[in-house]
Amino acid sequence: SAVISQKPSRDICQRGTSLTIQCQVDSQVTMMFWYRQQPGQSLTLIATANQGSEATYESGFVIDKFPISRPNLTFSTLTVSNMSPEDSSIYLCSVESGTNYGYTFGSGTRLTVV
Amino acid sequence: QKEVEQNSGPLSVPEGAIASLNCTYSDRVSQSFFWYRQYSGKSPELIMSIYSNGDKEDGRFTAQLNKASQYVSLLIRDSQPSDSATYLCAVRGPGGGNKLTFGTGTQLKVEL
Repeated sequence: SAVISQKPSRDICQRGTSLTIQCQVDSQVTMMFWYRQQPGQSLTLIATANQGSEATYESGFVIDKFPISRPNLTFSTLTVSNMSPEDSSIYLCSVESGTNYGYTFGSGTRLTVV
Repeated sequence: QKEVEQNSGPLSVPEGAIASLNCTYSDRVSQSFFWYRQYSGKSPELIMSIYSNGDKEDGRFTAQLNKASQYVSLLIRDSQPSDSATYLCAVRGPGGGNKLTFGTGTQLKVEL
């Protein structure tokens, strides 16, 4: 299955600032998925990132708040912009590892906004 | 109705017992089903996938799928304290395309 390197692993940020999270995959993948997991909650999909096209955002998430880049088939970034304490969550990237392997997740970024 | 529903638990079972975790989904044409285990502070880890009706066994884990009733379950035999975690049910497509929709997770506690 694919191996994903995600960084940073955690950060504490001031409100009003932005944080960019990076995910590097050890193989080429068509789609990368960005999830948010709020404290004590399950995973909510933010957007799907395709190489060479704009990301597709889920209801409740907008590009101005969560801009995504996908410059090639092994890398993507998610930026959390103009942060507020409500953005304090774990952010995870994910890729489909193959038909029989399901989806693999990065190690996550634990974001705290103060 | 939520797309994927699970009892939040906690589900407590004694060591050595069978833990039974259940999940129902609303999209009748969903095709792929996954169980993930998530330890506190860690990212989800895939433990089982199932695509066809019936049972699929892998070691101490058995996934069961019933598409007519729109439910999928996970049985953990000989439960160990190390199985204590949150178990997430996830469903894929075709209505949702390639993305996964997760349930809220069931917290499992295996007691000595």
